[in-house]
Amino acid sequence: RKEVEQDPGPFNVPEGATVAFNCTYSNSASQSFFWYRQDCRKEPKLLMSVYSSGNEDGRFTAQLNRASQYISLLIRDSKLSDSATYLCVVNANTGKLIFGQGTTLQVKP
Amino acid sequence: DTAVSQTPKYLVTQMGNDKSIKCEQNLGHDTMYWYKQDSKKFLKIMFSYNNKELIINETVPNRFSPKSPDKAHLNLHINSLELGDSAVYFCASSHSGTGNNEQYFGPGTRLTVT
Repeated sequence: RKEVEQDPGPFNVPEGATVAFNCTYSNSASQSFFWYRQDCRKEPKLLMSVYSSGNEDGRFTAQLNRASQYISLLIRDSKLSDSATYLCVVNANTGKLIFGQGTTLQVKP
Repeated sequence: DTAVSQTPKYLVTQMGNDKSIKCEQNLGHDTMYWYKQDSKKFLKIMFSYNNKELIINETVPNRFSPKSPDKAHLNLHINSLELGDSAVYFCASSHSGTGNNEQYFGPGTRLTVT
């Protein structure tokens, strides 16, 4: 079993749609959680940290369920510029970041 | 600009050669990393240094040797390059004091071994 699992997609959605990505992780001792965004041929960029209470940043909402070892990212009112690969990232208790394979989002006009 | 920078951006070389990639950060971070992203897009940690001390050393061939002259720089030297070394290599940095390990990445070095 992979340490961090994501559906690679691609998710093809129209502009304005709401889309949700899910991620599961295997190490119950994991300490912190993130969503990164990676555009084609670019570096990963931190989108948001994920907190147990859930957190929102504009059109983006992240949730964490420690009991189910599950993380989600919700994007509302999708824009063309949201097209990218979204990486679920877990900070293992070893101090390493473990990256999922990424979920590709393509927002169409 | 405050950032993580890497040189070169592109590197094309032949099998058997030795090459180096350089990384610098001016974010005031104390921890730096090298990652490899292969053609399947998985991003995997290779090495990490905290204040010039090696703290993470994944199962990487010993042809790969990192060097950190100071906490703002982390270089990667690769000996006897092989076809399978072709990938994008990302440098990253973080501040260990924050506890949550948010990392910031450089633009990547696209290595092609022919």
